[in-house]
Amino acid sequence: DAKTTQPPSMDCAEGRAANLPCNHSTISGNEYVYWYRQIHSQGPQYIIHGLKNNETNEMASLIITEDRKSSTLILPHATLRDTAVYYCIVRGGLYGGSQGNLIFGKGTKLSVKP
Amino acid sequence: DTGVSQDPRHKITKRGQNVTFRCDPISEHNRLYWYRQTLGQGPEFLTYFQNEAQLEKSRLLSDRFSAERPKGSFSTLEIQRTEQGDSAMYLCASSLSGGFNNEQFFGPGTRLTVL
Repeated sequence: DAKTTQPPSMDCAEGRAANLPCNHSTISGNEYVYWYRQIHSQGPQYIIHGLKNNETNEMASLIITEDRKSSTLILPHATLRDTAVYYCIVRGGLYGGSQGNLIFGKGTKLSVKP
Repeated sequence: DTGVSQDPRHKITKRGQNVTFRCDPISEHNRLYWYRQTLGQGPEFLTYFQNEAQLEKSRLLSDRFSAERPKGSFSTLEIQRTEQGDSAMYLCASSLSGGFNNEQFFGPGTRLTVL
């Protein structure tokens, strides 16, 4: 799987949008961009994923650049409960040709402050 | 809630003892994964099952580790002759089979402390 680069930490004011960047310059055409987060002492939680197009769900929006070399996860109105480590993961390859396990980096520790 | 469950949530053991953890995946999920997470690091893949078949093992999974998934339902991870370096959070995840467009759902983890 391709590797990703994320800032180690970010702060965000409560109620403001949190924009978490991720670089994945070696991504290949059939690899997806996944985002997970991990709140302290809990298992990782799936947030969103995308291939080429921007995606939005009830938790967040994912903006993928046209060349797919970077992406941004947007939490539109951050709350204190969004304080967590956010992982950007590139995942893919041949359909069914890999074990499909997730390769986590160290992620970005987002601190939402009142 | 029919999410992934793990038992126990915490386990403290003495070096040299054997421990076993259990994971119950989401019922319709064919794939089950085990990960290990040490302090300050992201989770690391250990092994995965497609139904009852163990299809991949990471080099992190030494001979002291064994995992099973009888009947393709719950899974167990056993560590024999535990060492202090085995202290970590052990995470289980499950997903529908096939492709890379299926998200993995994680359990709460089992935190192992080896004294």
